[in-house]
Amino acid sequence: SAVISQKPSRDICQRGTSLTIQCQVDSQVTMMFWYRQQPGQSLTLIATANQGSEATYESGFVIDKFPISRPNLTFSTLTVSNMSPEDSSIYLCSVAFTGQGKETQYFGPGTRLLVL
Amino acid sequence: AQSVAQPEDQVNVAEGNPLTVKCTYSVSGNPYLFWYVQYPNRGLQFLLKYITGDNLVKGSYGFEAEFNKSQTSFHLKKPSALVSDSALYFCAVRPDNYGQNFVFGPGTRLSVLP
Repeated sequence: SAVISQKPSRDICQRGTSLTIQCQVDSQVTMMFWYRQQPGQSLTLIATANQGSEATYESGFVIDKFPISRPNLTFSTLTVSNMSPEDSSIYLCSVAFTGQGKETQYFGPGTRLLVL
Repeated sequence: AQSVAQPEDQVNVAEGNPLTVKCTYSVSGNPYLFWYVQYPNRGLQFLLKYITGDNLVKGSYGFEAEFNKSQTSFHLKKPSALVSDSALYFCAVRPDNYGQNFVFGPGTRLSVLP
C-alpha cells in the first residue's frame, strides 16, 4: 500500500482563478491518477500521469483546463484552470504499483474545491 | 466498453443484521474487481479485490465479496453490520488486459441503524 497526502485539503476559490493541487506519496510509484468526484456522484478519471511522459487525458478533459505535472516518482500536481462553479468537486489522486499482485489503486484523502 | 452498475442508491440495515451491497459489471476480458469505501470527508479506502482464484474473497473490517462469473456480479457482504459501517461504497472494475484504468460504479450509500 501507500500513504498519500494532498494539499490543500479544501479551498474556496473565485471564478476565473486557478488552483494547483499537490499529491505526495511516501514511496516511488510509476502510475498516478487524478479523479474528479462531483457532488453526489461517482469518480471520473481525469488523466493518468506517468513519470517521464506526458499525461494521458480521458475524453472530456483537456490539458489546457487541467494541466498536470509529474516531476518525479513521488509527486504530482493537478491545476484546475480558469475555474467556474461547475468545477466544484472533490479531486482525488491515486497511485498504482505495477506487477502481479499489485493491481490495486490507493487514494489520497481528496481536495474539496468550491468555486464561487 | 467497461461499465459497473450498483442498482441500489441506498441500503438500510439494522445493526447486527447481515448486509449486502450489490454490484454487476460489464467488461471485455477477465475482470479485476474491487470494492472501496468512502467515509464522510475522507478519500477512498480499499476494502477487497478479486483477481483470480477463489470466488469468495475476504477483505478489511469483516467484509467479503463473491465473484459470480455467470451473473457478472460481485456483491459485497458482511454477516453482522455495525453502525460504523455506514458510508458510501463503490464497486470498481478493470479488465485484466487494459492498463490500470478503473471504472467506478455510481456508489451505494449504506446506513446501519442502531
